[in-house]
Amino acid sequence: EPEVTQTPSHQVTQMGQEVILRCVPISNHLYFYWYRQILGQKVEFLVSFYNNEISEKSEIFDDQFSVERPDGSNFTLKIRSTKLEDSAMYFCASSLQLPYEQYFGPGTRLTVT
Amino acid sequence: GESVGLHLPTLSVQEGDNSIINCAYSNSASDYFIWYKQESGKGPQFIIDIRSNMDKRQGQRVTVLLNKTVKHLSLQIAATQPGDSAVYFCAENTAYGGSQGNLIFGKGTKLSVKP
Repeated sequence: EPEVTQTPSHQVTQMGQEVILRCVPISNHLYFYWYRQILGQKVEFLVSFYNNEISEKSEIFDDQFSVERPDGSNFTLKIRSTKLEDSAMYFCASSLQLPYEQYFGPGTRLTVT
Repeated sequence: GESVGLHLPTLSVQEGDNSIINCAYSNSASDYFIWYKQESGKGPQFIIDIRSNMDKRQGQRVTVLLNKTVKHLSLQIAATQPGDSAVYFCAENTAYGGSQGNLIFGKGTKLSVKP
């Protein structure tokens, strides 16, 4: 069964450093998303991406964040200068149609120290 | 702003019983809803979805009911098994205002199945 994969599973970084979180969406999906979940809190939408551009972004997705689809299979989230409050689980999701049946990856746990 | 909330933060059921997990939503313009299951350390797993033009949808051992009049969504799990133990989230989407796939999640209900 096709699935969304994410690497790394856990990333530890120092405050102010740049991190890149990687995702491989399901191969025939067209829409891609990043969400995050701070420990014990709700899953929060960050950004959606289609046709090589951002479709929608939340207030959380400020200038420190960027997304890219560098090739036909990867989808990345970059945080330019990490802050302590960026510590969370980051989930990538993909769907064939908007917004239906979004399938999530296992997540990357980002710890900023 | 719009929000999705859950009536019960925890639910404990006996193995073999049916489970009902509830969700209230506040945005009457929401037109698509999904239930996700999240096991510890894993990402949300798609269970079932429903569009606003339906009031019931069935899957394997699961049924989602949508009551638009009172803005209420429920997930029914038949013959609950230990493997069903997890946190269950409802999520909504609204095309109102040109939304492009932003799912709004509730806090989650923890389902615990006793053997």
